[in-house]
Amino acid sequence: GENVEQHPSTLSVQEGDSAVIKCTYSDSASNYFPWYKQELGKRPQLIIDIRSNVGEKKDQRIAVTLNKTAKHFSLHITETQPEDSAVYFCAAKKGGTSYGKLTFGQGTILTVHP
Amino acid sequence: DVKVTQSSRYLVKRTGEKVFLECVQDMDHENMFWYRQDPGLGLRLIYFSYDVKMKEKGDIPEGYSVSREKKERFSLILESASTNQTSMYLCASSFGASSTDTQYFGPGTRLTVL
Repeated sequence: GENVEQHPSTLSVQEGDSAVIKCTYSDSASNYFPWYKQELGKRPQLIIDIRSNVGEKKDQRIAVTLNKTAKHFSLHITETQPEDSAVYFCAAKKGGTSYGKLTFGQGTILTVHP
Repeated sequence: DVKVTQSSRYLVKRTGEKVFLECVQDMDHENMFWYRQDPGLGLRLIYFSYDVKMKEKGDIPEGYSVSREKKERFSLILESASTNQTSMYLCASSFGASSTDTQYFGPGTRLTVL
C-alpha cells in the first residue's frame, strides 16, 4: 500500500520567516495530495491541495509543489505569523477506485515565535 | 457548510468494556472514515465505508469493528476495550466523486481506557 513520510516532525521559526515541510510518497499511482492544518484542540482542516497534473499551486501565503518523478511534494508558508502555529499533515490518494482513501504523513508541529 | 459531528468529545472506559463511537455527517457524503491520532504517528486509518452497509479495513483494523446502517451515520465499535486503544479518534467524510476528494473531519473523541 501507499506510504507517506513527512519531515521535519517539529519546526520552529521566527515570525516573518518562511517554513517548508516536505513529504515523500511511495505509490506512483497516487494523484491527489492535500495538506491539512490542525490547530490545538481542533479538527484537521484542508488548507491546500494539488493534483498530479499540476506542478505548483499557490493560495496567498501558502504554496504546494509536486515533483512526480521524485515522488515528493512540499508545503511552503511565507511571512509566517503566530496563528500559523499548528500541526500540519500531508496526505496522498491513489487514483482509480480508492473511495477517497487518504494515507497521511506523521505530522509536523510548526511553532511560529513572535 | 459541511458538518461532521461525533457523539462525545471525551470518554473514559474500563478495560474489557464495549465502546461505541458515533459519527454523523449532514452532507449526503458517500464515504466515511475512522482514524486514530497518536503523537508522532499521524492519522492512521482504522476502517472506512463507501456506501451503506459497505465497509473496508484500513491500516489498523485489529480490535475494532464498524457499522453503517444509514448513509449519514458511521459507528466505530471497540468490542473489548484495552489500554492500548487510549487515543484520539477522528471521523471524516467525503463526497465520493473523484473530483471532490476533500475529507471533512469531526471534532474528535478523546478516549481513555483505564
